[in-house]
This record gives sequence, C-alpha cells and structure tokens, in this order.
Amino acid sequence: GEDVEQSLFLSVREGDSSVINCTYTDSSSTYLYWYKQEPGAGLQLLTYIFSNMDMKQDQRLTVLLNKKDKHLSLRIADTQTGDSAIYFCAESYSSASKIIFGSGTRLSIRP
Amino acid sequence: ETGVTQSPTHLIKTRGQQVTLRCSSQSGHNTVSWYQQALGQGPQFIFQYYREEENGRGNFPPRFSGLQFPNYSSELNVNALELDDSALYLCASSLGDGQFVPSYEQYFGPGTRLTVT
Repeated sequence: GEDVEQSLFLSVREGDSSVINCTYTDSSSTYLYWYKQEPGAGLQLLTYIFSNMDMKQDQRLTVLLNKKDKHLSLRIADTQTGDSAIYFCAESYSSASKIIFGSGTRLSIRP
Repeated sequence: ETGVTQSPTHLIKTRGQQVTLRCSSQSGHNTVSWYQQALGQGPQFIFQYYREEENGRGNFPPRFSGLQFPNYSSELNVNALELDDSALYLCASSLGDGQFVPSYEQYFGPGTRLTVT
C-alpha cells in the first residue's frame, strides 16, 4: 500500500541541528523528496534522493535513506528562524504520475 | 519564482454549488497536476493532464473534473460541493512525456484556498 508517515511536531533551539524523520511503505518507490511549506505559501522542493542512493548532501541539508527499513530523514544543520515551516516527506514511482505526501512535520525554532 | 500562477487566491462557496479553479503553467510546460491539501494534511493527488488528456487520477469522485487547454493552462472543476472539499488546491506544472515526470521537475503554484460553508 501507499503510505508516508511523519511525526507532527519538532522543536529545536536556534543554531542546533534539526532531524525530521519519515517512514514509507512501498519499496518500489523510485524517488523520495522533502518539501517545505511556509504559511500561506505553496510547496517548495528542498531536495530529493533516488532510491538507489544512501545519502545526499546539499549545503545545510543532509538526506539519509535506509531502504531496508524504509526510513528517510532530513537533517538541517545550524537551524535558523527562517527554517520554521512544515516539512513534507514524499515519494513517487517510475510508473505513476502522482506524488504521495506525508502529513507534514511542523518545525518550530526556539531562541 | 516558479512562474505557475493560480486564480483565485481565495474562494468561498456554499454546499451544493460548483466551482472552477484555474492554473497557468510555467512557459514551455505541457503537463499539469492538481492536488488537494486539507488543513493539517499533506497534499493528495487528484489528477494529471498531459497535452489536454487526463493522464492519471487519484482516489477522487467523478464530481472532480478537469480540463487542459491548447496553451496548457488548466481548470479544476468541482460539482456539488461538500463541506469536506474545503482545502488548499495546488497545481503543479512540468514538461513531461506522458509517462512519468520526476517530482523535481514539477513546479507548484501558490494554491487556491476554497472554503465551503
């Protein structure tokens, strides 16, 4: 079946690292993504990883994929107030046109 | 800036009415996907249009229908509105081949917030 699950909330101190976790159910997923949504805004693609990769790093963002456990994580280094948003984990397949999203993790930053 | 625009920004309708939402895709894109995002949820795939034909559909009833025009802009129509149709409706445009377009090539618009009372 198709299901993507994430924890609902995460609170971190400014300057610390944030780690947002996600699990998915379909092992045939080809692409896994992280999107960011700020209040009143659409979806911004932050990064993506192919299912044959274990890790991808892009500036402050690090994505780790454990395909055996169907676990995806997003690490944001040196978290800033501008990182406050909802982060969505998502997956898609090579044979389908749709993207399947999790319910989102709301990241809040403490001073 | 993605270049994908949606109109209107906000809309209030009454249960039982019909609504049309519009999406202008980014220049050169031939594929439009529509998503429904209920409050506190992730977006859910409604359907996709490729070169004016429906090219994949999610688990939504037939009262959700769409159109894509020769300039690749698109409309989402919802008939017999229900309270649960209240949501943010997002469109995403991409340049596809009708088979599969990886998400990183899809660009989302800011959405239309529909409230059904």
